[in-house]
Amino acid sequence: EAQVTQNPRYLITVTGKKLTVTCSQNMNHEYMSWYRQDPGLGLRQIYYSMNVEVTDKGDVPEGYKVSRKEKRNFPLILESPSPNQTSLYFCASSKTPINYGYTFGSGTRLTVV
Amino acid sequence: GQQLNQSPQSMFIQEGEDVSMNCTSSSIFNTWLWYKQDPGEGPVLLIALYKAGELTSNGRLTAQFGITRKDSFLNISASIPSDVGIYFCAGQVGAGNQFYFGTGTSLTVIP
Repeated sequence: EAQVTQNPRYLITVTGKKLTVTCSQNMNHEYMSWYRQDPGLGLRQIYYSMNVEVTDKGDVPEGYKVSRKEKRNFPLILESPSPNQTSLYFCASSKTPINYGYTFGSGTRLTVV
Repeated sequence: GQQLNQSPQSMFIQEGEDVSMNCTSSSIFNTWLWYKQDPGEGPVLLIALYKAGELTSNGRLTAQFGITRKDSFLNISASIPSDVGIYFCAGQVGAGNQFYFGTGTSLTVIP
């Protein structure tokens, strides 16, 4: 089944403790992206990648890092999480977003205390 | 980033009623997408629009790309309980592949 898989689905952590949210897609898509969803703000793009080793900042990149060493994986790294990064995170992938839009994962709900 | 204003924020309707929601921006967009998000899941693409004036249907859903390229609307006819969810518009501007999302319309269908 074609899908975008994120792990974990739920995560509670403490301020300052580094964490990684993994994302993997099995559709051989070039494009991958991370979004965060907050009430009243919709989905905001954190980072995106157009291919292996090619990444770029979205609208809200501060406090996040990404890497794209393999086509199928696009992990999101929070080096020193803070409470304002408590949010619902979505990974997404696409063959070509302008033509096909993004396919989204099921989300990771992160709470930073 | 670009701001997409989606309205209404929420809707409560009776099963069988038609629904209309829209998305507006001060910027010109090249592509409009409409997504639906079920509780606890990621958004799923419903309809994609690529040309000004384009009207596209997907079952009971119909969406249009505004003539000015600054807006789009989504209609749902004869709503059913499984239409419940949050509907997002998303627009692509410029030459890149970056999409901006609206703030969402939460739809509740009362049986």
